[in-house]
Amino acid sequence: DIQMTQSPSSLSASVGDRVTITCRASQSISTYLNWYQQRPGKAPKLLIYAASSLQSGVPSRFSGTGSGTDFTLTITSLQPEDFATYYCQQSYSTPRTFGQGTKLEIK
Amino acid sequence: QVQLQESGPGLVKPSETLSLTCTVSGGSISSYFWSWIRQPPGKGLEWIGYIYYSGSTNYNPSVKGRVTISVDTSKNQFSLKLRSVTAADTAVYYCARHTRNAMVTGDWFDPWGQGTLVTVSP
Repeated sequence: DIQMTQSPSSLSASVGDRVTITCRASQSISTYLNWYQQRPGKAPKLLIYAASSLQSGVPSRFSGTGSGTDFTLTITSLQPEDFATYYCQQSYSTPRTFGQGTKLEIK
Repeated sequence: QVQLQESGPGLVKPSETLSLTCTVSGGSISSYFWSWIRQPPGKGLEWIGYIYYSGSTNYNPSVKGRVTISVDTSKNQFSLKLRSVTAADTAVYYCARHTRNAMVTGDWFDPWGQGTLVTVSP
């Protein structure tokens, strides 16, 4: 199985801040990497697919970069609705695996 | 747009079988892969397995041997059966579609159902 490791596990930030979340794969996965946002009590929502492609309807303050084993999700100018948990997920092979999540909290 | 809705019992006794159905509306189940994903309370996401509309399947080794995913294209539904459940199977269960396009690599889960909590308890 490909292990996905996110850092940090939690993060405190303020509205207007720029934050970066990192995801590392245990082996190279090219750009087979997706990012999701999950608000409490809700299903995950796709933000970024194929490492850097912005899902339709997702604000442009979200961006993704990386290839191989190292990936980042960046949120510029945090908005109140961005405080949530973020997950990366690889689609390079089965079993599909997710990172453990990064909880973004209001400072 | 395509919407997914999970349905099934919210309480299952230990050692029994968990059975859930995902109904797809607003689009056809054909030509796509469909997955079940679960999330124990307060924890992260675990992929359980997928099924292609033709019926081929792939399961996570963590549940292989206990799980069956099936599809009913006439009803636009796919289903999950998880046998011999324990408290560790208590989770919110989501169904989701694998989406891909020709321009980029891989696939991704979109859309998702709203999720249904299944509790394993006597």
